[in-house]
Amino acid sequence: QVQLQESGPGLVRPSETLSLTCTVSGDPVRAGGYYWTWVRQHPGKGLEFIGYIYYSGETYYNPSLRSRASISIDTSKNQFSLKLHSMTAADTAVYFCARDRSASEYFDSWGQGTLVTVSS
Amino acid sequence: QSVLTQPASVSGSVGQSITISCTGTSSDVGRYEYVSWYQQYPGKAPKVIIYDVSNRPSGVSNRFSGSKSGKTASLTISGLQAEDEADYYCCSYTTTTTLVFGGGTKLTVL
Repeated sequence: QVQLQESGPGLVRPSETLSLTCTVSGDPVRAGGYYWTWVRQHPGKGLEFIGYIYYSGETYYNPSLRSRASISIDTSKNQFSLKLHSMTAADTAVYFCARDRSASEYFDSWGQGTLVTVSS
Repeated sequence: QSVLTQPASVSGSVGQSITISCTGTSSDVGRYEYVSWYQQYPGKAPKVIIYDVSNRPSGVSNRFSGSKSGKTASLTISGLQAEDEADYYCCSYTTTTTLVFGGGTKLTVL
C-alpha cells in the first residue's frame, strides 16, 4: 500500500521560496500510470490544485500558480518536490502531496498534509 | 481557472438522503467523465469516495453514489449516518490538462 509523507519548513518568510518534499513508500514513483501531485488548502477553505508531475518529468500547473510553482521528481530517492517562489501571507496553507491515477484522474492516496505559515 | 460551484452547506436527518451539486463549465465537468468526490474530516486528508462520475472505490459504502448531467455533477448520500458529517469536495479534469476542485460543502447530520 502506497504511503506519502510531506516534509519541509513550517515557517517561511515573505518573498522567500517554499521547498517541500514528498517521500513515497510502498510504490516506485517511476511506475507509470500516476501523476504525483501537490494540493493546498488555505485555513478554513477549500482544496486548490497546484500541479503534478509524471515520472518522465512532464509537469502541469494550475494556471494561477504556473509562474511561481515548480515541481520536480527524483526517482532514485522515490520523492517529488514543490518549490513555490515569492511567498506571501496568502500562501499560508496546509500543503498535501497526493497520487493521481492518470487513467481516471482522481487522487487515490494522500499525505497527511503539512502546515506552512508565511510570516516575518 | 475558476473553482467548481458547490453549495456551502447542506443538512439532513439520520436516515434521510441528501444530494450535493457541483456545477462547472464546458471546459471541465461538461466535457469529461473524470469527476471525483472527496470526503474530508477536520484536520485530516481528503479521501476519495467517487471517481469517474459514478464509480466507488473498494471499501466505500454503497450509500454514496454519483451522477452527472451536462455541466453539473451530483453526489447523493442515502441513509445518512452521523459519521457522514464532514466536508465534501468535487473535482474535475479540465481542458488545461489540470484538475479543479469545488469550493466544498459542509454536511451537517441532524
